[in-house]
Amino acid sequence: GQNIDQPTEMTATEGAIVQINCTYQTSGFNGLFWYQQHAGEAPTFLSYNVLDGLEEKGRFSSFLSRSKGYSYLLLKELQMKDSASYLCAVLDSNYQLIWGAGTKLIIKP
Amino acid sequence: GAVVSQHPSRVICKSGTSVKIECRSLDFQATTMFWYRQFPKQSLMLMATSNEGSKATYEQGVEKDKFLINHASLTLSTLTVTSAHPEDSSFYICSARELQGYGNQPQHFGDGTRLSIL
Repeated sequence: GQNIDQPTEMTATEGAIVQINCTYQTSGFNGLFWYQQHAGEAPTFLSYNVLDGLEEKGRFSSFLSRSKGYSYLLLKELQMKDSASYLCAVLDSNYQLIWGAGTKLIIKP
Repeated sequence: GAVVSQHPSRVICKSGTSVKIECRSLDFQATTMFWYRQFPKQSLMLMATSNEGSKATYEQGVEKDKFLINHASLTLSTLTVTSAHPEDSSFYICSARELQGYGNQPQHFGDGTRLSIL
């Protein structure tokens, strides 16, 4: 079966750095997405990785290791507005998007 | 760019009513649109994949006669919840994927529709 695992909840301090991990087992791989979803709102696209390595985009970076079936989202200089759920999603061999359950990130002052 | 508009944002209606939700890609063409449902504190659940000019593909357990999907153009898909009941109350979100590429374009989401059936 297809499976995506990410922690249910994480807590971090404002100004700090947090890393949200995602591991996956899917039938094929055509890329991995990270989305941010604030409570009561729709998800917004953050990043897409299809090759191994780190993609940096401002305060957010996303890393992929295809051989390990592993990705992480790194958030630097945390702000209170970063409190949200972060969803990991993998595009399988049929270009179907398989969603993780999301990681709720709580930022404390 | 890549804006998806979803209307209405909130619906409150009586049991037995049919509710229509529209999803439009405003600045790009989308051959494929997706309809999701999300219950409180749970992840997104894909209901169906809507392809322009053809019948939608429904996920297992989703009643196609209850959730009618029409994708009449490259910029518009509609979801109609027929004879809605309280258990259909949920947050419905559409997304659209741009036409270009091999299907690895990100999905862009509408703002969602919060449906409450009394």
